Amino acid sequence: NAGVTQTPKFQVLKTGQSMTLQCAQDMNHNSMYWYRQDPGMGLRLIYYSASEGTTDKGEVPNGYNVSRLNKREFSLRLESAAPSQTSVYFCASSELASGGEQETQYFGPGTRLLVL
Amino acid sequence: AQSVTQLDSQVPVFEEAPVELRCNYSSSVSVYLFWYVQYPNQGLQLLLKYLSGSTLVESINGFEAEFNKSQTSFHLRKPSVHISDTAEYFCAVSDQRPDKLIFGTGTRLQVFP
Repeated sequence: NAGVTQTPKFQVLKTGQSMTLQCAQDMNHNSMYWYRQDPGMGLRLIYYSASEGTTDKGEVPNGYNVSRLNKREFSLRLESAAPSQTSVYFCASSELASGGEQETQYFGPGTRLLVL
Repeated sequence: AQSVTQLDSQVPVFEEAPVELRCNYSSSVSVYLFWYVQYPNQGLQLLLKYLSGSTLVESINGFEAEFNKSQTSFHLRKPSVHISDTAEYFCAVSDQRPDKLIFGTGTRLQVFP
């Protein structure tokens, strides 16, 4: 049981290049999330997917697109990378309890992205 | 919109001393409150959470937090810290389903021998 896995761990891009960050979870969770972490700003939600086939914008969606490929996988795409997208990106997944209670979000190890 | 304030960006403390990391959130009818810990070069791990019921919640490694509705706070405390507690701690809140966590800016706890 690997939990939440992310690839790649590190990436360096030039301005204008594109790339896709991959995320997979093996906990059979319905909900998945993408966050970015920047110094002094905590984690900010980019996009989330409440269930397979649905995606919604978070706090900072501009410059990103997402795909919920299936229940396990949720990818984040940068179509034209900018230096402002230099950050650490975290994927997370969670499940609502049967009583509708907020469930724990489980995080991946992160992808460190540098855009030159 | 919900927001979270962590008043201290860094907290230095000596080993075996007590520590309190402060967290305040903006008022809401109902909230779900979390503390996550991030060790260097790792992802976030849940430390403890408040969903309902007892206002005092505890983690397995000696941390505790108390939900105070009147003061809209969820401060994290530990009576005696260890070197291994050195990490960054994030307070988070959600008032929606499905869960959309709002994170604070984090508090870096540095424990010195």
